[in-house]
Amino acid sequence: QQQVKQSPQSLIVQKGGISIINCAYENTAFDYFPWYQQFPGKGPALLIAIRPDVSEKKEGRFTISFNKSAKQFSLHIMDSQPGDSATYFCAASMPNSGYSTLTFGKGTMLLVSP
Amino acid sequence: NAGVTQTPKFQVLKTGQSMTLQCAQDMNHEYMSWYRQDPGMGLRLIHYSVGAGITDQGEVPNGYNVSRSTTEDFPLRLLSAAPSQTSVYFCASSGGGLAYGYTFGSGTRLTVV
Repeated sequence: QQQVKQSPQSLIVQKGGISIINCAYENTAFDYFPWYQQFPGKGPALLIAIRPDVSEKKEGRFTISFNKSAKQFSLHIMDSQPGDSATYFCAASMPNSGYSTLTFGKGTMLLVSP
Repeated sequence: NAGVTQTPKFQVLKTGQSMTLQCAQDMNHEYMSWYRQDPGMGLRLIHYSVGAGITDQGEVPNGYNVSRSTTEDFPLRLLSAAPSQTSVYFCASSGGGLAYGYTFGSGTRLTVV
């Protein structure tokens, strides 16, 4: 059972455009929703994260929008640049013996064309 | 540089061989985990540890063993490699009680023939 569903699988955006990646979750026990960015040959790196008590968080060109009632959250990349071309993973965590394990979506491969 | 170090970066195994993927972190993080990454499947949790001497299974633990004798090291053992274990393996660590700010290693690309 996939607990975090991510779409689209791939995305092509022109330079300067807005990239939007969506995720939906099923388990209401999730309490933390990070996004990771991964460049080829590298490990994922934390990009931005949100808790369910806020509806939006912005860091530079990256914004997370969170809809608790719909159990959905999305990543918006404003003024997308070729350097943003990477694979993006949404994730969610839930308490487990005092620590939380991360459940990842399947990833979105973003290509920003020059 | 501080962080998570994985070795080797690449490995080719024959079916039935065993090997250990090494993971070390120098951030004094209590929480460490192993993920495998396959095309179109995202990152799936294999095993994790909440501290020295404590390990637990994740989503896809079959065929893998782990142990945590020190805070710094969290090796992943393949007992009898199978082609289905061909994947990229990532080790990650976190210092918090929740999954905040996982730090990932650069990965080990394993091919089983």
